[in-house]
Amino acid sequence: QVQLVESGGGLVKPGGSLRLSCAASGFTFSDYYFSWIRQAPGKGLECLSYISSSGSTKYYADSVRGRITVSRDNAKNSLYLQMDSLRAEDTAVYYCVRESRDLVGANDYWGQGTLVTVSS
Amino acid sequence: DIQMTQSPSSLSASVGDRVTITCQASQDISNYLNWYQQKPGKAPKLLIYDASNLETGVPSRFSGSGSGTHFTFTISSLQSEDIATYYCQQYDTPLYTFGQGTKLEIK
Repeated sequence: QVQLVESGGGLVKPGGSLRLSCAASGFTFSDYYFSWIRQAPGKGLECLSYISSSGSTKYYADSVRGRITVSRDNAKNSLYLQMDSLRAEDTAVYYCVRESRDLVGANDYWGQGTLVTVSS
Repeated sequence: DIQMTQSPSSLSASVGDRVTITCQASQDISNYLNWYQQKPGKAPKLLIYDASNLETGVPSRFSGSGSGTHFTFTISSLQSEDIATYYCQQYDTPLYTFGQGTKLEIK
């Protein structure tokens, strides 16, 4: 079955860095596009980045552009999000999300999320 | 980025009521719109794709309509299990941005 398991979240000081990982299984990882989507406590969903199946095309939200980098390793079935210069407003649950191949633009599988807390 | 404006931000209704949520895009997105349901502590679930198509297994009381910049999501007869937050999402142009959500509560 499809599984997306995020890791790497935790408590970090303002200005610090974190690297989130997403381990995928149960499907051919290299066939799919992915997004990183976050949700601050009690808030809505914010799409941060989007990466093509090969990793050659990437998009970033204006709110985080220049501070985050998305990447993937298709040989390891893994997706990554490098986050630098973290701010208190980056505190959120971060989800690794797969885009459906049957329904373009639809997110069909979500990980359980990993909590990032930015605080001194 | 395309901005999605969703309203209302919260809604209280009774079981059996007809509930409508609207979503407005900042530019023409044709029918490239999805609707998701998110229950507390859970990841979002796709309900409607291409603005009006019901995802497999989703009850028929849920429906969507619209194209261009104005979209509507409707629950024809609210059930207690529909308590959740609902989000629209455009996929015309990456990043696929979300509306701010509508929190639905039982009156």
